[in-house]
Amino acid sequence: GENVEQHPSTLSVQEGDSAVIKCTYSDSASNYFPWYKQELGKRPQLIIDIRSNVGEKKDQRIAVTLNKTAKHFSLHITETQPEDSAVYFCAASTPGNQFYFGTGTSLTVIP
Amino acid sequence: GAVVSQHPSWVICKSGTSVKIECRSLDFQATTMFWYRQFPKQSLMLMATSNEGSKATYEQGVEKDKFLINHASLTLSTLTVTSAHPEDSSFYICSATRGTSQETQYFGPGTRLLVL
Repeated sequence: GENVEQHPSTLSVQEGDSAVIKCTYSDSASNYFPWYKQELGKRPQLIIDIRSNVGEKKDQRIAVTLNKTAKHFSLHITETQPEDSAVYFCAASTPGNQFYFGTGTSLTVIP
Repeated sequence: GAVVSQHPSWVICKSGTSVKIECRSLDFQATTMFWYRQFPKQSLMLMATSNEGSKATYEQGVEKDKFLINHASLTLSTLTVTSAHPEDSSFYICSATRGTSQETQYFGPGTRLLVL
């Protein structure tokens, strides 16, 4: 099955700086890669996603890049704010519509 | 739109009892529902994929007789933890997608289970 690895597990940045989280996947058939933000005790919320026919996608301060050849994708958050502090999960989905999540990154934005 | 609810949100039970968790899509028909388990400060672990009217597909290592999943309608899936034990204590989250193709998953708020 699919194996998704995520790094780093924890990340602290100063407010206004950028944060980058990286994920790798193993199944070359995976073709949909969402990113979720989960605040403590709450459900994961989709923040951005990318499909395998696209290399980069941006939505305001958030961007995701995908390298299919290397099987890795990254989340970029610019101009970080304290409210960006949360746990972020990447995921990879196979054509069979099964989602496999990364291990999560706990992001802390220091005011 | 695309709201998923779960009930109960929090349950405490005695060891050996069974607990049923409901997952409902409130404003859409969910062709596929997923059940995840999450331990504190850990990632979401996919337990099973459930399609309406058919048997759930369980991930390797997940006991199907222990975690019974029923997807009786396009808006309701249930997870029953049978003969629960303390090691089953966890946060259980369901999610749903609207179509048969790959789509965004909409997550329920989760159910926190504590087995004494």
